[in-house]
Order: sequence, then C-alpha cells, then structure tokens
Amino acid sequence: DAGVIQSPRHEVTEMGQEVTLRCKPISGHNSLFWYRQTMMRGLELLIYFNNNVPIDDSGMPEDRFSAKMPNASFSTLKIQPSEPRDSAVYFCASSLRGPNEKLFFGSGTQLSVL
Amino acid sequence: SQQGEEDPQALSIQEGENATMNCSYKTSINNLQWYRQNSGRGLVHLILIRSNEREKHSGRLRVTLDTSKKSSSLLITASRAADTASYFCATDAYSGAGSYQLTFGKGTKLSVIP
Repeated sequence: DAGVIQSPRHEVTEMGQEVTLRCKPISGHNSLFWYRQTMMRGLELLIYFNNNVPIDDSGMPEDRFSAKMPNASFSTLKIQPSEPRDSAVYFCASSLRGPNEKLFFGSGTQLSVL
Repeated sequence: SQQGEEDPQALSIQEGENATMNCSYKTSINNLQWYRQNSGRGLVHLILIRSNEREKHSGRLRVTLDTSKKSSSLLITASRAADTASYFCATDAYSGAGSYQLTFGKGTKLSVIP
C-alpha cells in the first residue's frame, strides 16, 4: 500500500487566494483526520471523518476553513480566503476505525501564505 | 488544547546511550500512543499502550504507563544516530463535541550524536 497520499507537497500563495489541499487515505481505513502543525501550537486536530461523515469539526479555526470527504478515497481541505496566519504544515492521517487506534500520516503539505 | 505534555523539550545524547522521554496528561484515557517525526516528514506510529497495561516493548523501545500519575515514559535503548527525531505522545480524550480526539503534545526533540 502506498500509505496516505497528500498533495501538493508545498504550496505558496498570496493572501486572499483560495487554497485546496488533497488527501487519499489508506484503502480500507474508515477514519480520516486533518491536523495542522505549527511551532507555536504544535499539532492541532482540525476535523475528523468517520465513514465519510464529519464527526468532529470543533478544531476548524473559522468559516474560512472547510473540509469534504465525497468518498472513502478522497478528502479536501479548503481555505478561502487564505491569510498569512494560516501558514503551517497540514497533515492528513487515516486509521482503521477511529482516533483510538494508530494513525497513519501523510507527508504533509507545507503551506506558506504571503 | 494540549492533553499531553512531553518532558524534556529537547534531549541530546551520545550514540549508544539510552534516551528517556516523559509524557504527562490531564484526563483519563483509553490508550496512549507514541509517534516519531523526522524533520520535514509525517509522524510515524511507534507504539500504543492501553490504559490497563503498565509496560510494553517493541524492539529497542520500552513504554510504561502509570494511570494513577497520569504519566508515561518512552525509553530508547542503545540509541543510534538514526533515532534523531522529535517524539510525541498522543492521548485519546473526549473532545466535548460528542467524540474522542487524539491529541498530541508538543514533543521532545532528540539528538543522538555519533
């Protein structure tokens, strides 16, 4: 299995632009997570899907952030409009059945908003 | 909010020495996990210990869990330069939004000097 696949690996954009991050979880995994990592705040859970349904989006910072999982093999995280404070590494992770099991992480998307 | 906190924040040792990292958490848990992150990469799962377990081994890794003290330790024996990475503990905690979240500490940065 190729593991969790994220794209793009790096994204540089200007303030106000829309950014879309993509994730393909491991086949057969029912749970998908989006995390954000910064030096100041560490790793923060943004949203968690189970069987393609958002279970917990309490970590989504504000309405500028949205996430979708249209099917079991694809998820997107969108930021519109982007701001410099959104600069971070965004990780997607998946697990077989939920947050109580081991998570498999993608390589992350390094986002820089200028 | 951070559920787990690692100590120390940074640790530098000579190759061959043992490295011990500690994690303290605040609320009751179902399990505790340890992850490693190499610079610029995603997190990799190392070991999961359940709340009814006290000790677990995996190769050169030994994890202990003391639920009465709400703490865990990760011991890496006979360290190698390749063990240089950041190490995170993660605990499942009720998010208050109807589900459990896997929340991460800010990590211990381990440097193993050849």
